[in-house]
Amino acid sequence: HVQLQESGPGLVKPSGTLSLTCAVSGGSISDTHWWIWVRQSPGKGLEWIGEIYPTGSTNFNPSLKSRAAISADKPNNQFSLKLTSVTAADTAIYYCARSLHPDTAMGPYDYWGQGTLVTVSS
Amino acid sequence: DIQMTQSPSTLSASVGDRVSITCRASQDIAIWMAWYQQKPGKAPKVLMYKASALESGVPSRFSGSGSGTEFTLTISSLQPDDFATYYCQQYYSYPRTFGQGTKVEMK
Repeated sequence: HVQLQESGPGLVKPSGTLSLTCAVSGGSISDTHWWIWVRQSPGKGLEWIGEIYPTGSTNFNPSLKSRAAISADKPNNQFSLKLTSVTAADTAIYYCARSLHPDTAMGPYDYWGQGTLVTVSS
Repeated sequence: DIQMTQSPSTLSASVGDRVSITCRASQDIAIWMAWYQQKPGKAPKVLMYKASALESGVPSRFSGSGSGTEFTLTISSLQPDDFATYYCQQYYSYPRTFGQGTKVEMK
């Protein structure tokens, strides 16, 4: 049974960098699934941030204007999100997730972390 | 981006009711649609994918239909555990996008 757990600072200053890690247990991030970041805020609902494949291939939401980066740490079986130049609009619950189907990004997400609230404020 | 529009935003129903939620895509997404259920303080849980495929372990009272731009999630007989918020998601193109949610509340 795969489990995902987000971790990182709950408070980030405006113009700073948001850094989160998703630790994976019960499975390997080297498995041929896509690993995803999604966020949820009251004002914008669920927003897809981006994803990474074990080969290092990534896709991102253009709305983030190249502020987002996702990387994988295979030895530690975790993947990470960095979001630069944050503003109050980036305040949200951040979730990591896994694609349901292996070998394709064409599918929903079956395993999710519990989510972590990140507030952008001085 | 493909816009996903759900209706209604809120649905009041009773246990045993048949309820349906609609999701409209701003362009043709074939059958590349998923439905999620979310309860307060929890992550979304996938119910359906490919518009009508039931995820393993999801009760058969849930069903999905549609293709192209119009999709429906139906709960044949609403159970107490089903009061939650439901979201559609398209995975036809990038960026993946979600509907704004439909809250199913007790009448």
